[in-house]
Amino acid sequence: RKEVEQDPGPFNVPEGATVAFNCTYSNSASQSFFWYRQDCRKEPKLLMSVYSSGNEDGRFTAQLNRASQYISLLIRDSKLSDSATYLCVCLTGANNLFFGTGTRLTVIP
Amino acid sequence: SAVISQKPSRDICQRGTSLTIQCQVDSQVTMMFWYRQQPGQSLTLIATANQGSEATYESGFVIDKFPISRPNLTFSTLTVSNMSPEDSSIYLCSVESGSNYGYTFGSGTRLTVV
Repeated sequence: RKEVEQDPGPFNVPEGATVAFNCTYSNSASQSFFWYRQDCRKEPKLLMSVYSSGNEDGRFTAQLNRASQYISLLIRDSKLSDSATYLCVCLTGANNLFFGTGTRLTVIP
Repeated sequence: SAVISQKPSRDICQRGTSLTIQCQVDSQVTMMFWYRQQPGQSLTLIATANQGSEATYESGFVIDKFPISRPNLTFSTLTVSNMSPEDSSIYLCSVESGSNYGYTFGSGTRLTVV
């Protein structure tokens, strides 16, 4: 079983739509969680950290459910520039990062 | 967060040769991490580079194939040795950006072995 699992997509949504990604993790000892964005042929860049209380950054909302061991990312009012691959990442122990394979999003005009 | 300069950005290499990838960080960091991202796959940690000691390799990766140097707190190199087409991948270095700030990645090296 993979440490982190994501639906690879692709998700094709029209501009302005709301889209949600889910991610599950297998290690209950994971202590920190992140969503990264990776554009084609670019390095991953931190989108946001995910906290137990949930957190919001503009159009992006991240939630963590420790009981069910899943993490979600909600994007509201999608923009063309949101098109990218979104990576779910879990930190377990000291610097043990586990990456999902990513969910590809394409926002269509 | 830290700024990482990684080079080369890409290379096409003959099988049997070696390529050394460099990462320079604009601040001192205790640990630097080297990842591989194969097409359509998630990032996989190759090794953790500590200054002043040997790198720690993950399962499936060995020092003879991926020797790492860490001469100081701002610089590291990863060498892909005796390359084969299966080594074609993107290689990325990374450093910690601080608690809850995630990790920062270099821009990656796209390696093609022919």
